[in-house]
Amino acid sequence: EPEVTQTPSHQVTQMGQEVILRCVPISNHLYFYWYRQILGQKVEFLVSFYNNEISEKSEIFDDQFSVERPDGSNFTLKIRSTKLEDSAMYFCASGGDQPQHFGDGTRLSIL
Amino acid sequence: QKEVEQDPGPLSVPEGAIVSLNCTYSNSAFQYFMWYRQYSRKGPELLMYTYSSGNKEDGRFTAQVDKSSKYISLFIRDSQPSDSATYLCAMSPQGAQKLVFGQGTRLTINP
Repeated sequence: EPEVTQTPSHQVTQMGQEVILRCVPISNHLYFYWYRQILGQKVEFLVSFYNNEISEKSEIFDDQFSVERPDGSNFTLKIRSTKLEDSAMYFCASGGDQPQHFGDGTRLSIL
Repeated sequence: QKEVEQDPGPLSVPEGAIVSLNCTYSNSAFQYFMWYRQYSRKGPELLMYTYSSGNKEDGRFTAQVDKSSKYISLFIRDSQPSDSATYLCAMSPQGAQKLVFGQGTRLTINP
């Protein structure tokens, strides 16, 4: 069964550094999403992406965040200058006409 | 009032029991309702997907949506130890829009 894959599974970064999280969505899906889950809290929406542009974003998704689909298969989330509070699990999802399917996430630890 | 409310548990039941998991919501625009299962250190795995009100059955799982009460349920029959996980409800107004998640209910099935 097709699945969403995310790399790396764990990323440790110094505060203030840039980080890029990578995702390969399911190939026939048209909508792509990033969510995050801070330890012990709800899964929260960050951003959705369709037709090469952001279709919706949350208040969390400020100027420090950006997304890109650099080629036909990858979807990336970049955090420009990481803060301690960015430490969380980041999940990529894809869907559209289909319900959203999630990857296993990248655990981001900011030191 | 929170947009989606879900009792975080934990809920512990013996093997073979019928499990009932529930969420309430406040936004009457929600039309798409999902249940995801999340194992430790894994991403949410789609279990059930329902549009508008009604019931849907898939094997041992039944999802119910009552839009008039803004209440959704997931029933698990003949529960197995492998069903032990966190169960997340999620919903959206349109199929491709952002998902709003509940807190998740941690379920343990005891052999």
